[in-house]
Amino acid sequence: QVQLVESGGGLVRPGGSLRLSCAASGFPFPDFYMSWIRQAPGRGLEWVSYISSTSYVDYADSVKGRFTISRDNARNSLYLQMNSLRVEDTAVYYCARVGAAYALDVWGQGTMVTVSS
Amino acid sequence: EIVLTQSPATLSLSPGERATLSCRASQSVSSYLVWYQQKPGQAPRLLIYDASNRATGIPARFSGSGSGTDFTLTISSLEPEDFAVYYCQQRSNWPFVYTFGQGTKLEIK
Repeated sequence: QVQLVESGGGLVRPGGSLRLSCAASGFPFPDFYMSWIRQAPGRGLEWVSYISSTSYVDYADSVKGRFTISRDNARNSLYLQMNSLRVEDTAVYYCARVGAAYALDVWGQGTMVTVSS
Repeated sequence: EIVLTQSPATLSLSPGERATLSCRASQSVSSYLVWYQQKPGQAPRLLIYDASNRATGIPARFSGSGSGTDFTLTISSLEPEDFAVYYCQQRSNWPFVYTFGQGTKLEIK
């Protein structure tokens, strides 16, 4: 069964750091590009970052220089290191698999990140 | 940066009716347009990719069309489980970025 399970969310103060993890199973993880997408409460979807199968990365301008995406193919895991967090980073963070035509074809259930003093 | 504009913001229909959702791009995205469905408290689900290809397991009542700047998601006969929020999305190559529309909420009339 193809599955993505995020973890690591929580409450953090502005300026703080958090590391999200995404455990993949049921498919050959090293062969796939992966992505992080977030959704602020009551808002739409916002792409955050992506990493290729060879670890080429890119970021949305809103997180560039603060967030770092990485992967551990041996552990079938995707990560998002979030530094210098801001109130506006508060959201549910989803990891997703990049499938055919670069569509996001498998999504995790999401993990909530709340940045508040 | 390409902007996707979805219309209407909210669509009120009854089960059995036909739904037509629109997504307009600020410049051509060729056929690189994707549709997702999201229900409350759930992750989005891929429906359509490359404008008109149904994803695995998606019922035939869902269809996508369009190219260039104007795209449509059609649900031929609404089932109760189809009431949700629908997002369109495109991907730019340089710079690499995924862009989502603001969503259309399909609600029961």
